[in-house]
Amino acid sequence: GESVGLHLPTLSVQEGDNSIINCAYSNSASDYFIWYKQESGKGPQFIIDIRSNMDKRQGQRVTVLLNKTVKHLSLQIAATQPGDSAVYFCAENWANTGFQKLVFGTGTRLLVSP
Amino acid sequence: DAGVIQSPRHEVTEMGQEVTLRCKPISGHNSLFWYRQTMMRGLELLIYFNNNVPIDDSGMPEDRFSAKMPNASFSTLKIQPSEPRDSAVYFCASSSEGVNEKLFFGSGTQLSVL
Repeated sequence: GESVGLHLPTLSVQEGDNSIINCAYSNSASDYFIWYKQESGKGPQFIIDIRSNMDKRQGQRVTVLLNKTVKHLSLQIAATQPGDSAVYFCAENWANTGFQKLVFGTGTRLLVSP
Repeated sequence: DAGVIQSPRHEVTEMGQEVTLRCKPISGHNSLFWYRQTMMRGLELLIYFNNNVPIDDSGMPEDRFSAKMPNASFSTLKIQPSEPRDSAVYFCASSSEGVNEKLFFGSGTQLSVL
């Protein structure tokens, strides 16, 4: 039969809009979170990170929000550009393993129309 | 800095053949990770080295997979014998010493096993 792959949720926005990509993480003990951007044919590229003692961190055009109560992470991209089109992954570090174990979510595809 | 360097970029082989993927981490990084990316399972951690020592290999699919890190600047991931279900993109990543450190990814090796 036909194999079923991961169905990536897709967010379509117009150039100049603000984008919000959401992520639910699994491990309540995770203490470090990263957002990665992956363009076609390339490896994941670091965007921004946040530690569990913070609930908000801002970078250039990007903001990450962390809500530990509901285990939710979001990435906000201001004034989205066509070059932002990519798949975005959140990753959590399972700190209770005692070492670095970065576990990735399934990803969200962002499509930016000019 | 050249970043994480992986070779080959693409590999096409026949079922039963041995495949060796190579990785050169960023100079000065103490931790090295091998990930596999497929449509079915997303990004999966295969194995993690710290100071050239394998720390967690629980993600290695089976005995056909092996990884080595003979020195701080080189690692290999070997599949012997290869099977069609091993077809995927294999990424190597490295990070600085510490638990909550961001990973830097290579461009990946696209493996096709026919």
